[in-house]
Amino acid sequence: QQQVKQSPQSLIVQKGGIPIINCAYENTAFDYFPWYQQFPGKGPALLIAIRPDVSEKKEGRFTISFNKSAKQFSLHIMDSQPGDSATYFCAARRSNSGYALNFGKGTSLLVTP
Amino acid sequence: EAGVAQSPRYKIIEKRQSVAFWCNPISGHATLYWYQQILGQGPKLLIQFQNNGVVDDSQLPKDRFSAERLKGVDSTLKIQPAKLEDSAVYLCASSLAPTYEQYFGPGTRLTVT
Repeated sequence: QQQVKQSPQSLIVQKGGIPIINCAYENTAFDYFPWYQQFPGKGPALLIAIRPDVSEKKEGRFTISFNKSAKQFSLHIMDSQPGDSATYFCAARRSNSGYALNFGKGTSLLVTP
Repeated sequence: EAGVAQSPRYKIIEKRQSVAFWCNPISGHATLYWYQQILGQGPKLLIQFQNNGVVDDSQLPKDRFSAERLKGVDSTLKIQPAKLEDSAVYLCASSLAPTYEQYFGPGTRLTVT
């Protein structure tokens, strides 16, 4: 059972555009929501993370928006660059079960020049 | 700081054969994770260690998969016998403690023919 649902599966934007990736969850026990970036042949790397007591978090060109009542969160990439082309995974973690990460299926982002 | 090391990077075996993967976490990281990443999906946790004890192995197919972390540092993951559906990238990650950021290794790509 997929505990974190992610969309879209793939996304193509032009340089300078603002890709948005959405995730939804059901388990209200989740208390930590990270986003990971993965390049081909590499392991995922933490990009940015948010906790449910905050509605928005910005780090550089990356912003997470969090809607606790809707159980949804999204990643926005401002001024996207070709170097941002990668697969992005949202994840959620609960603190009552070893803090294991539950990942979405991923979004393949292509930023064209 | 050296990252998480994994070997081998690639492995091709026939079904019903056995295979082992090795992981060396970041120095000082007490928590170690093994994830399975099937093509087009997000990583799925197989097993989590805290030092040399198992915290969560609820999604490990124990009839064929085994893992150990005898001295609380390096870890090995074994599959015996392998099935076609075991073809995936096996990712190792480590963190200082369960609540801290997880750092992923580059993974081992397994192909079962």
